[in-house]
Amino acid sequence: AQTVTQSQPEMSVQEAETVTLSCTYDTSENNYYLFWYKQPPSRQMILVIRQEAYKQQNATENRFSVNFQKAAKSFSLKISDSQLGDTAMYFCAFMKHGTGANSKLTFGKGITLSVRP
Amino acid sequence: NAGVTQTPKFQVLKTGQSMTLQCAQDMNHEYMSWYRQDPGMGLRLIHYSVGAGITDQGEVPNGYNVSRSTTEDFPLRLLSAAPSQTSVYFCASSSDRLAGANVLTFGAGSRLTVL
Repeated sequence: AQTVTQSQPEMSVQEAETVTLSCTYDTSENNYYLFWYKQPPSRQMILVIRQEAYKQQNATENRFSVNFQKAAKSFSLKISDSQLGDTAMYFCAFMKHGTGANSKLTFGKGITLSVRP
Repeated sequence: NAGVTQTPKFQVLKTGQSMTLQCAQDMNHEYMSWYRQDPGMGLRLIHYSVGAGITDQGEVPNGYNVSRSTTEDFPLRLLSAAPSQTSVYFCASSSDRLAGANVLTFGAGSRLTVL
């Protein structure tokens, strides 16, 4: 079974600054996907970024980037130029690769990020 | 394009009552799943389906039933609600055949309170 650990329950950052959210995971799989989802107060789950384990290059989406360390089983999210709209809960999640595995995400407990004006 | 639609958004039940949370998607996704979100626990998988007529249990299936008679619909049934089922429920769908493969699209969530 897979586990995803987000050890920081909450963080705070000043607007326009950079913040890094940590995530570690445990798996015996070699092929898998990692995700960061954002959940603002509206409760909607929004995909922030996705990383495929077989790709060595770290994924980037505008102000969001990841530091994927496969050997260390670490998957941190860096948010640059933080904006007030980034205030939300952030979840790290793991998905095995393979048919039928597509429905099944294993989530961390989440981290609450507050962006201060 | 509505994506994933969940109803109702809010529901209050008494212990022992039954109800069904509805979930529908219009993206022709073959995979659908139900998660529950509890404070400090993240989201946990309840049941999932890899196609019409096929369902399986996730991490926390007890007290819930599902069926998948069509590609579009995946209802979650609580047969005898218990206070421990007070939670926020999310339905999600995905595909590994279509654009955006392996990315789950979530519904807006349903907040259920069992008294």
